[in-house]
Amino acid sequence: DTEVTQTPKHLVMGMTNKKSLKCEQHMGHRAMYWYKQKAKKPPELMFVYSYEKLSINESVPSRFSPECPNSSLLNLHLHALQPEDSALYLCASSQDIQLTVKNIQYFGAGTRLSVL
Amino acid sequence: EDKVVQSPLSLVVHEGDTVTLNCSYEVTNFRSLLWYKQEKKAPTFLFMLTSSGIEKKSGRLSSILDKKELSSILNITATQTGDSAIYLCAVGGSSNTGKLIFGQGTTLQVKP
Repeated sequence: DTEVTQTPKHLVMGMTNKKSLKCEQHMGHRAMYWYKQKAKKPPELMFVYSYEKLSINESVPSRFSPECPNSSLLNLHLHALQPEDSALYLCASSQDIQLTVKNIQYFGAGTRLSVL
Repeated sequence: EDKVVQSPLSLVVHEGDTVTLNCSYEVTNFRSLLWYKQEKKAPTFLFMLTSSGIEKKSGRLSSILDKKELSSILNITATQTGDSAIYLCAVGGSSNTGKLIFGQGTTLQVKP
């Protein structure tokens, strides 16, 4: 089973709203990732968590706030977003952050976010 | 600056054709190159190539890594309409941060 589950599938929010995206995996992976993907563009890395600690923040604006409450769960809290933040938000997980043959990043189906 | 470039950006073929997708990279201390297929949403993993595994094959799909030319190709033989998707190439470099650098993707459309 290589399933990464993301909820909700779709989200529409206003610029003053606060919402959260959720990502869950039960593969025992200790690295989890948030990516942002705009239409017709490749995924762009936002955050990496390794053993529940934030290891990479790719200079993401503070209106995006990640949280890793336990090894299976990753959240992305959203507040005061802008219309240009509308995108597909993908979560991924891997055994750990080492780039080895057995360490594949598996992606969830994503949350399609629209900011009005 | 690390960079991954895919070509062509888009491709239209007919069922039964063979296609070759290209990925070239300039990445500090290359560790691995991955191919993903993205249909509607989630990129799904196809292959990982490393210094110790430069050729992979699964059914009609195969991939080769050329470390001298800093490139990889993804071949799809006897294409089917279900192969229509965006094919993403991603490369992992030295920092062991788990960070993958993605190319722009190749959009493949297979017509009946």
